[in-house]
Amino acid sequence: QSALTQPASVSGSPGQSITITCSGASSDIGHSNFVSWYQHHPGKAPKLILFEVSNRPSGIPDRFSGSKSVNTASLTISGLQAEDEADYYCSSYTTISALYVVFGGGTKVTVL
Amino acid sequence: QVQLVQSGTEVRKIGASVKVSCRASGYTLTAHFIHWMRLARGQGLEWMGWINPGRGGTSFAENFQGRIMLTTDASSSVVYLELRGLTLDDTAVYFCARDRAPLQPSFDPWGQGTLVIVSS
Repeated sequence: QSALTQPASVSGSPGQSITITCSGASSDIGHSNFVSWYQHHPGKAPKLILFEVSNRPSGIPDRFSGSKSVNTASLTISGLQAEDEADYYCSSYTTISALYVVFGGGTKVTVL
Repeated sequence: QVQLVQSGTEVRKIGASVKVSCRASGYTLTAHFIHWMRLARGQGLEWMGWINPGRGGTSFAENFQGRIMLTTDASSSVVYLELRGLTLDDTAVYFCARDRAPLQPSFDPWGQGTLVIVSS
């Protein structure tokens, strides 16, 4: 059981926009802006696509954007492309002393 | 470029130990923490712990306390994860990752992953 809750799957057609939500609590997402998103193509290394809610590392296209409201973070992919088909994981710093970061269960994005 | 390369697939019996390596290149190992995560089939990512390669300090998730060890060979730029007392639930892909910036809880880059299979 993951600490953060994500939908199991989201799908969209090429060119459309999709949004993935990530629900947490006041001890994690609600505590700070240390929310990150990762893209994972199975069999490869996960890739950081957003950090501190909405910041993109160098090389990540601006089709990827993020936001946060209270205890829920969101990732939006605009202009969906075939190569965006992957698993996406959210993470957050947590104030729980026995942990450091918590992750969501992952969302499978399918490009129809 | 900054890169983390992990060792290959491991197969162990229940109760055994496993040691996975993560070789860093393209930056000074001691300048960033290295974190370990795992991904089991049907589960989300799980943070396991971090090591400060510069000073050797470590921190572990409560679930792994007592059976995890993280070490560094700075001369070879390699970080090791050792997990003891393996159970079937430890079957997973294990990833090392560097913190994006010192003391920041986001990880970039990641290693390619090491599959650990625990069998009876």
